[in-house]
Amino acid sequence: QKEVEQNSGPLSVPEGAIASLNCTYSDRVSQSFFWYRQYSGKSPELIMSIYSNGDKEDGRFTAQLNKASQYVSLLIRDSQPSDSATYLCAVNPQMDSSYKLIFGSGTRLLVRP
Amino acid sequence: GAVVSQHPSRVICKSGTSVKIECRSLDFQATTMFWYRQFPKQSLMLMATSNEGSKATYEQGVEKDKFLINHASLTLSTLTVTSAHPEDSSFYICSARVMATGNTIYFGEGSWLTVV
Repeated sequence: QKEVEQNSGPLSVPEGAIASLNCTYSDRVSQSFFWYRQYSGKSPELIMSIYSNGDKEDGRFTAQLNKASQYVSLLIRDSQPSDSATYLCAVNPQMDSSYKLIFGSGTRLLVRP
Repeated sequence: GAVVSQHPSRVICKSGTSVKIECRSLDFQATTMFWYRQFPKQSLMLMATSNEGSKATYEQGVEKDKFLINHASLTLSTLTVTSAHPEDSSFYICSARVMATGNTIYFGEGSWLTVV
């Protein structure tokens, strides 16, 4: 089992819709969770971090964490064509003092105009 | 967010030669930096964790003698790909941990390496 799993997509949504991206992780004691956005040929950029169960909102983005289910998600409201990218879920496994991140394979999001 | 700068952004080298990639933290001190490799349409694979003033910690399957990492200062880590081969052609990305912002990880712009 991969440590961090994501559906590769592509997830296609119309402009203005809500895009829902999901991620599961295998290490039950993971504490830190991140969502990154990566445009083709570019490096990842941080969108959200979440550490506690529940929802965390930042503008059009909402991260949701459920540690009991080992599940983290990202909702993008009012999706725009510029949101089309690959979204990477990242987890800091265990209580790793180096804070290295393990990435999922990413979900490609396509927002149709 | 914090700024991490990588250089060069693109490099082409001949098979058998070595190439060095630099990663700098511009507005903070980075005691820990990470090096990733990403092949086309694949996810980021952690190669090694670079710690200032000590040896890097390599992930399983990564040859430490081929991918030399030096983290001699709090703002600079370098990755040297030695005796490069075409299969080493990839997108190499560094990242740094920013303790001041809850240990958030920020990425450099990445370096495209092509070995011909």
